[in-house]
Amino acid sequence: AQSVTQLDSHVSVSEGTPVLLRCNYSSSYSPSLFWYVQHPNKGLQLLLKYTSAATLVKGINGFEAEFKKSETSFHLTKPSAHMSDAAEYFCVVARSGNTGKLIFGQGTTLQVKP
Amino acid sequence: GAVVSQHPSWVICKSGTSVKIECRSLDFQATTMFWYRQFPKQSLMLMATSNEGSKATYEQGVEKDKFLINHASLTLSTLTVTSAHPEDSSFYICSASPLGVGLYNEQFFGPGTRLTVL
Repeated sequence: AQSVTQLDSHVSVSEGTPVLLRCNYSSSYSPSLFWYVQHPNKGLQLLLKYTSAATLVKGINGFEAEFKKSETSFHLTKPSAHMSDAAEYFCVVARSGNTGKLIFGQGTTLQVKP
Repeated sequence: GAVVSQHPSWVICKSGTSVKIECRSLDFQATTMFWYRQFPKQSLMLMATSNEGSKATYEQGVEKDKFLINHASLTLSTLTVTSAHPEDSSFYICSASPLGVGLYNEQFFGPGTRLTVL
């Protein structure tokens, strides 16, 4: 069975400093992994996805994530935080098979201080 | 990108009444849509898979008679919470993919519907 664990429920950074949101996964096969962001009163938006093509994945708004099989990790990073990055972030793994079903991590709230 | 809408965005109802939530794919067709439930400050939990032209499939522990799903067309799925009770109060979110249910296909999410049962 697949699962994801987000290691921090809340992360606080200052504007302009790097962002690191941590995610570990568990999967018996090569996983399909995603990072989604949820802003208040808006639908979840895809930041990036890993599909085994490349271990370093670049996404929108300057975010990127690195797939590390040896560490079973898929951490999300950004070199410089903006105030608009404050939101809830979810690490997500797709269930095996072509079901389209997604398994969400517990979420990490990112706070950006001026 | 593809757009998914939900209606209403919020609803308040009395205990014992039924509430219908609509999920529409605005610029693509979706033979499969998904319904999630999100409690405050918590993650999304998949409730069911809505299939156009056939019955929905429910995740373990989800009462199919409580949460009725109808996928009436390729652009519309509805979730009806029957005989709602305060414990059904939650944020309900739907999603769909223009490319179907492939393993690597991005899903697009609706903005969610907040249900409060008094």
